[in-house]
Amino acid sequence: KAGVTQTPRYLIKTRGQQVTLSCSPISGHRSVSWYQQTPGQGLQFLFEYFSETQRNKGNFPGRFSGRQFSNSRSEMNVSTLELGDSALYLCASSLVGTAGTEAFFGQGTRLTVV
Amino acid sequence: AQTVTQSQPEMSVQEAETVTLSCTYDTSENNYYLFWYKQPPSRQMILVIRQEAYKQQNATENRFSVNFQKAAKSFSLKISDSQLGDTAMYFCAFMNAGNNRKLIWGLGTSLAVNP
Repeated sequence: KAGVTQTPRYLIKTRGQQVTLSCSPISGHRSVSWYQQTPGQGLQFLFEYFSETQRNKGNFPGRFSGRQFSNSRSEMNVSTLELGDSALYLCASSLVGTAGTEAFFGQGTRLTVV
Repeated sequence: AQTVTQSQPEMSVQEAETVTLSCTYDTSENNYYLFWYKQPPSRQMILVIRQEAYKQQNATENRFSVNFQKAAKSFSLKISDSQLGDTAMYFCAFMNAGNNRKLIWGLGTSLAVNP
C-alpha cells in the first residue's frame, strides 16, 4: 500500500509569489490535514479536509488556503509569499471514525522563500 | 485551548540503555488521544505509540512504553534497550476525540543514542 505522497519535495520561491503544494493520501483515507513545521514555532495545524470540505482550520492568515478533490487528493496554496512562510509543510491522511486516530504523514515539502 | 509541553529540548542515551522523555498537556476535555511521533533526519513523521485517555492501562509497543497519568496530565515515553536507529526528534501530540483530526504538538525532544 503506497504511503502519503507529497510533491514537490523542495521549492524555492520569491517573496510575493504564490505556491501550490500537493498531497496524495493513502488509498481509502478521506481525511487530509496540513501542518507547517518551523524551528521557532514547531508544528502548527493549518487545516483539515474531509470529503472535499474544510472541516477544521488553524490560526493562519487567509493567504493560506486549500482544497480537496473527489479522489481525496489535496492541495494547499499560499499566496503573496513572505520570508516567514519558509518551512516544512507536512500532509497527513487518516481514516475516519474511531479507527482513524492515527495520522500517516508524507515526507513533506520544504519551501524556501527568498 | 489545549497545549502540549515537552520540557527537554535535548537528551542523549547510551546504546542499550533506557531513556524517558517527558510530556505534559493541558485540556479540559475528558476524551482524547495522546501520541508520540518520531521524526528522523529523513523528516518522515512516524507514529511510535498511541494512548486513548479512557484507557487506564499504559500503552506498549515493543521497546516503547508510556506512563500515562491522566490526573496529572502527564504522558512520558520510555524507550528500553535504546538503538542507534532511535536517534530522532520525538514529538508528543494531543488530539480531541470525535471527528476532529487536529493534532496539537509539543516542541519536541531531540534524542541522540550514542554507541
